[in-house]
Amino acid sequence: AQSVTQLDSQVPVFEEAPVELRCNYSSSVSVYLFWYVQYPNQGLQLLLKYLSGSTLVESINGFEAEFNKSQTSFHLRKPSVHISDTAEYFCAVSDRGGSTLGRLYFGRGTQLTVWP
Amino acid sequence: NAGVTQTPKFQVLKTGQSMTLQCAQDMNHNSMYWYRQDPGMGLRLIYYSASEGTTDKGEVPNGYNVSRLNKREFSLRLESAAPSQTSVYFCASSHKADPVVGANVLTFGAGSRLTVL
Repeated sequence: AQSVTQLDSQVPVFEEAPVELRCNYSSSVSVYLFWYVQYPNQGLQLLLKYLSGSTLVESINGFEAEFNKSQTSFHLRKPSVHISDTAEYFCAVSDRGGSTLGRLYFGRGTQLTVWP
Repeated sequence: NAGVTQTPKFQVLKTGQSMTLQCAQDMNHNSMYWYRQDPGMGLRLIYYSASEGTTDKGEVPNGYNVSRLNKREFSLRLESAAPSQTSVYFCASSHKADPVVGANVLTFGAGSRLTVL
């Protein structure tokens, strides 16, 4: 089974400041990596994903994440946050093969709060 | 554009009562999932159905049963509710993972908040 660690449970920042949400995973096999976002009282939505190719992936609202295989990390960054980015962010990992093919394993989540 | 629909959105039960959470998707997805979300615990998989006619246990299946009624619908049943089952429950669906084409991207419902007294 996979293990996903989100190192910060809460990250408070001021508007227009940069932010990094950290995610590390443990796996002996190749993986797919995801970030999901949950706005208050809603379900989770896919923010971005790494499947293959370029290790830097971007979302449509300015977030980016970089897959670092040697450090088994997939940290999420944004150079300038808005109040509307306030939400809980979940890192997730999925095996590329084997008996657990396609099954997602989630981290415990990081609550990002953006203050004016 | 409904996506994944869960009912009910809120429910309060007494210990020992039973209930069923309903989930339906209109995206012709093969796989469906039930997760529970608890503060500080993230999402934990209860049961999943990789395809119509199959169901499998996830990380925390005890106290729950599921039925994949057809390709669209996947229900979660609590036979005898306990306070430890107070949680927010999410249903999700996806196309079956394909290691060549892509990976398992889930579409989530809005959640069902269950309180067991």
